[in-house]
Amino acid sequence: DQQVKQNSPSLSVQEGRISILNCDYTNSMFDYFLWYKKYPAEGPTFLISISSIKDKNEDGRFTVFLNKSAKHLSLHIVPSQPGDSAVYFCAASAYGGGATNKLIFGTGTLLAVQP
Amino acid sequence: DSGVTQTPKHLITATGQRVTLRCSPRSGDLSVYWYQQSLDQGLQFLIQYYNGEERAKGNILERFSAQQFPDLHSELNLSSLELGDSALYFCASSVGSGGSETQYFGPGTRLLVL
Repeated sequence: DQQVKQNSPSLSVQEGRISILNCDYTNSMFDYFLWYKKYPAEGPTFLISISSIKDKNEDGRFTVFLNKSAKHLSLHIVPSQPGDSAVYFCAASAYGGGATNKLIFGTGTLLAVQP
Repeated sequence: DSGVTQTPKHLITATGQRVTLRCSPRSGDLSVYWYQQSLDQGLQFLIQYYNGEERAKGNILERFSAQQFPDLHSELNLSSLELGDSALYFCASSVGSGGSETQYFGPGTRLLVL
């Protein structure tokens, strides 16, 4: 059962334009969501996170939006740069009840930013 | 650089063997997590330790075990290795084990079982 889904395996965007990466989840107990960027043969790099009590969090060129009613979150990158080309993972955790914040990951979206 | 270190970077071994992967968390972090990334399963949570004690278990095989030492570094032991254990193994750390904590990942250990 895939609790965190990234339905777009890949996305291609022109440099300078907006990149929008999407993520859906099924577990309503998730209360913290994160986006990681990953290059081949490297570990995931933390980008930005959002708590379930918020609907938006912004950090520089990166903004994450959370729609709890739709169980959907998205990552906006504006403007996109060639160095943003990587695999982006959405992850979620549900602390309540388990006293652990283990992450459940989506399958990733490969972003290619064309110069 | 996340501040999380993992050794070795690459490991090649044979079926039936045993290996140990090592992780040092970021300075000040008490929680260590192990994840496995394989081609067909994506990034999967294996196990979490907090300040030396096991906190949570995920999809970890009985042939695998882990521990966290008093200096907070952690080791993941994989035994009776099978071809299907070939994967990237990542360690992550966070300050504590509360809600809404960000995990920072190490560079990973690539294990190849021949």
